[in-house]
Amino acid sequence: NAGVTQTPKFRVLKTGQSMTLLCAQDMNHEYMYWYRQDPGMGLRLIHYSVGEGTTAKGEVPDGYNVSRLKKQNFLLGLESAAPSQTSVYFCASSRLIGNSPLHFGNGTRLTVT
Amino acid sequence: QQQVKQSPQSLIVQKGGISIINCAYENTAFDYFPWYQQFPGKGPALLIAIRPDVSEKKEGRFTISFNKSAKQFSLHIMDSQPGDSATYFCAARYPLAGNMLTFGGGTRLMVKP
Repeated sequence: NAGVTQTPKFRVLKTGQSMTLLCAQDMNHEYMYWYRQDPGMGLRLIHYSVGEGTTAKGEVPDGYNVSRLKKQNFLLGLESAAPSQTSVYFCASSRLIGNSPLHFGNGTRLTVT
Repeated sequence: QQQVKQSPQSLIVQKGGISIINCAYENTAFDYFPWYQQFPGKGPALLIAIRPDVSEKKEGRFTISFNKSAKQFSLHIMDSQPGDSATYFCAARYPLAGNMLTFGGGTRLMVKP
């Protein structure tokens, strides 16, 4: 039982390049989320999904796109990376039932030069 | 503009002492207030949580105190141990929004032996 798995763990991009972060969960959770973590800013929600085929914007969605074609996977895309997107990205999942805890992956550290 | 403000940003406590982390919120619609603990290189994990109709919740050495009228809540760690050294995040949940959490800025706790 791996829980929430994020790939890759580290990545360095040049400004303007694109990439996709992959999140996979094996807990059959309905909800999935992408957060970014920056010093002093805590975790800020980028996008989230309440089910397969549905996505919604969070607090800081600009510059990112997401897709959830399969229940177990949630992809985060950067079409044209900018230095402001240098961050640690966390994926999380949770059950549909209220007050269910978020289960986080171990993060992807992205540097944009 | 963070909807949940957390203080202090960092905290150093001697082994056996009490660690206290405070959070304040503005949105009275929040209906659930969890605390997450994060160790270096790992994703956050749920530590303890409280609903706004309860003034205090205790689990082992960890206690949440909740003051609804002041829109504040705090985490107390009794008999702090070096193994408690981690980053702590308070959070608040928007109701009817896919279990979506908004997080405070985080507190880095160091417990000295």
